Amino acid sequence: KQEVTQIPAALSVPEGENLVLNCSFTDSAIYNLQWFRQDPGKGLTSLLLIQSSQREQTSGRLNASLDKSSGRSTLYIAASQPGDSATYLCAVRHGTNAGKSTFGDGTTLTVKP
Amino acid sequence: NAGVTQTPKFQVLKTGQSMTLQCAQDMNHEYMSWYRQDPGMGLRLIHYSVGAGITDQGEVPNGYNVSRSTTEDFPLRLLSAAPSQTSVYFCASRMLGRTNTEAFFGQGTRLTVV
Repeated sequence: KQEVTQIPAALSVPEGENLVLNCSFTDSAIYNLQWFRQDPGKGLTSLLLIQSSQREQTSGRLNASLDKSSGRSTLYIAASQPGDSATYLCAVRHGTNAGKSTFGDGTTLTVKP
Repeated sequence: NAGVTQTPKFQVLKTGQSMTLQCAQDMNHEYMSWYRQDPGMGLRLIHYSVGAGITDQGEVPNGYNVSRSTTEDFPLRLLSAAPSQTSVYFCASRMLGRTNTEAFFGQGTRLTVV
């Protein structure tokens, strides 16, 4: 059974700092990995999706990497802003295009002005 | 674009009552799914569907029914609500047949069973 772990559970940083969020998974036979952002009381918003054949994806100040062999993904946020404060979740899709996804519990990020 | 729309946003039920959570998407996505999100347990898959007329169970299906009569709609039915079903419910959809298909989520339904 795939298990997805996100450490730390919570992170507080001053504005402007670069930071890395971690996601680890136990089964490397993944189809893709997706990073989401969730604001309090809201749904999940997709940030980046990395296919199993890719090593990284970038969108603006965000960069996500994937190392299937070690079962790890990182989400790098450059020059953090208070508006980046949210919970960040990673989701691993299993095996095929129609495969199910397993979510981590998320890292709650607070960026202090 | 409306994306994925869930109704209602909030609901309070008494134990034993039944209700249907609605989910609709306007992106012609084949794959739709329901999750529940509980503190400390992350998102858990309840049921999913890969197309009209096809549904299957996820990780925590007990106490819930689904049907998929159209591509657009995927309602979730609670047969006899229990306090353990107090949770936030999310519907999600995505395309099939492409490798870079992102999942899109609704805004959630916050359900309290008393």
